[in-house]
Amino acid sequence: GAVVSQHPSRVICKSGTSVKIECRSLDFQATTMFWYRQFPKQSLMLMATSNEGSKATYEQGVEKDKFLINHASLTLSTLTVTSAHPEDSSFYICSATRGGDYGYTFGSGTRLTVV
Amino acid sequence: QKEVEQNSGPLSVPEGAIASLNCTYSDRGSQSFFWYRQYSGKSPELIMSIYSNGDKEDGRFTAQLNKASQYVSLLIRDSQPSDSATYLCADFGNEKLTFGTGTRLTIIP
Repeated sequence: GAVVSQHPSRVICKSGTSVKIECRSLDFQATTMFWYRQFPKQSLMLMATSNEGSKATYEQGVEKDKFLINHASLTLSTLTVTSAHPEDSSFYICSATRGGDYGYTFGSGTRLTVV
Repeated sequence: QKEVEQNSGPLSVPEGAIASLNCTYSDRGSQSFFWYRQYSGKSPELIMSIYSNGDKEDGRFTAQLNKASQYVSLLIRDSQPSDSATYLCADFGNEKLTFGTGTRLTIIP
């Protein structure tokens, strides 16, 4: 149990365009979903926390108008990178939890390359 | 700002030996800690969680927590080449995980 599906796994887009990444909890209802970004040889940096039906909470230094997060249901959260630039190229990973002691399950990640 | 620190490595260990990975954390109020394994280009996989002082064993893995010293460790017995990966320590607090920078482990056949 506790499977999180994330897609696309890889995406290449042109500078200035927007990209949407989906994160779905397949066999449980996720009260909270998290979005991370990981640059090469660095650790995961939390970008934002989203709870179903409410606005996401962004970490300091993360532009909420650039990284749009929608958590419309208990099984789906989306991250849209708007007006992407080459410096946004990174590995984006979502995770989801049911809360309490259930722990956190990670999606498989999305490798974004902006050219 | 909460910090979780790990030696980035690389740490090289012969096959069959014990690999020891260490982590320190800054938030004395932290209660839960996690070890994740991450292969290159993949997302993290949970190895173990630990909440209480002392040791917790799961197969070849043993997690150790010392809250007084703010120290968490992971021991891997009988190391295998497939254990070669980056190991991330994470501290849970304020409803979110804070990750260390990870230690790259290489098991030498």
